[in-house]
Amino acid sequence: SQQGEEDPQALSIQEGENATMNCSYKTSINNLQWYRQNSGRGLVHLILIRSNEREKHSGRLRVTLDTSKKSSSLLITASRAADTASYFCAADPVSGNTPLVFGKGTRLSVIA
Amino acid sequence: DTGVSQNPRHKITKRGQNVTFRCDPISEHNRLYWYRQTLGQGPEFLTYFQNEAQLEKSRLLSDRFSAERPKGSFSTLEIQRTEQGDSAMYLCASSSAGGPSLPSTDTQYFGPGTRLTVL
Repeated sequence: SQQGEEDPQALSIQEGENATMNCSYKTSINNLQWYRQNSGRGLVHLILIRSNEREKHSGRLRVTLDTSKKSSSLLITASRAADTASYFCAADPVSGNTPLVFGKGTRLSVIA
Repeated sequence: DTGVSQNPRHKITKRGQNVTFRCDPISEHNRLYWYRQTLGQGPEFLTYFQNEAQLEKSRLLSDRFSAERPKGSFSTLEIQRTEQGDSAMYLCASSSAGGPSLPSTDTQYFGPGTRLTVL
């Protein structure tokens, strides 16, 4: 079963607008990671935020983490058509050797 | 280019046949993961190795599935007696657990995947 849940499931915006995707997870984590996947391709790692961090930036990406609410958000600023893809959050649980647990993803469409 | 390669990229087979996929991780990575992804879903963990040891297996990994990493480098995933429900993208990823001369990384680097279609 998948632990993470992204919201919304699909998002369509105009080029230049900002896109915000949310993720919720269920257990304590070491870190939370965001990945991008273009249609039919493998996943590309975007950014990792550790459990003791609240916000992180990488280029046009901004990630926040609220461990009290077990939630994270990914903001893509000034979106481009090339940002069209599915975005997944992946929780790295504290307990045991369980590897990353992915959500179902948000499908982002950026219209030129 | 993440450095993880998978072969074949596509596989079409008839129900009941056996299939084998290969994954070559980033050379200095000692951890290797297999995931399965169906349409509209996120990747679901199947199993992972640290070096040649298989440390964790998901309940998704039925008896028809077997994975090996005999020399701690490349890995194979075999599905015996394939069923239509096995149709999915099979993803491989690698990372480093760290070591005397290896930095540890929490990031998993994914290959392009093998898309399996069972007719």
